[in-house]
Amino acid sequence: KNEVEQSPQNLTAQEGEFITINCSYSVGISALHWLQQHPGGGIVSLFMLSSGKKKHGRLIATINIQEKHSSLHITASHPRDSAVYICAPGGFGNQFYFGTGTSLTVIP
Amino acid sequence: EPEVTQTPSHQVTQMGQEVILRCVPISNHLYFYWYRQILGQKVEFLVSFYNNEISEKSEIFDDQFSVERPDGSNFTLKIRSTKLEDSAMYFCASHRTSGEETQYFGPGTRLLVL
Repeated sequence: KNEVEQSPQNLTAQEGEFITINCSYSVGISALHWLQQHPGGGIVSLFMLSSGKKKHGRLIATINIQEKHSSLHITASHPRDSAVYICAPGGFGNQFYFGTGTSLTVIP
Repeated sequence: EPEVTQTPSHQVTQMGQEVILRCVPISNHLYFYWYRQILGQKVEFLVSFYNNEISEKSEIFDDQFSVERPDGSNFTLKIRSTKLEDSAMYFCASHRTSGEETQYFGPGTRLLVL
């Protein structure tokens, strides 16, 4: 079983701040998923990555497979970024293990 | 933009009854998943499905659960004899190719077992 730890569990930021959410896991994987869950419960997939770095708009995800660690960065945070961010190591077609999520609140 | 749809949005059932949750993935997608989230808890993987067979399943996905792609468009999750602890939000997801592709999630079905 893959133990997944995210930090911090809760995060409050001022609008415009740079945000980092960290994810560590215990078992070797082929890829890792970053997800966003909105207050209403809907889930949006942000990134799937197996190495290096990916960028989409103000979001950047990095992964170090050898160190079993990934980070999600949000630049110039905005109140609409307020959500729960979840990392899920695994791989396509394979089982994903979900973290408990980081609850982010961005204050105007 | 294409989206994954799920029906029903809410379902209430009596313990011991069978339920079928339906998902319509995006039409050219080939990889399909079911997840569940018990209220207040983390998302849990149930099963992945590709090429008309299960690729991987978790320990949650026991003999009470089954999945099917009966007609090339729907992707269903059946729970044969529901238990109280099956009450959760069930999410379907899909994607087209293998590799580093994000999954598209449906809006979920909230199942309540009484």
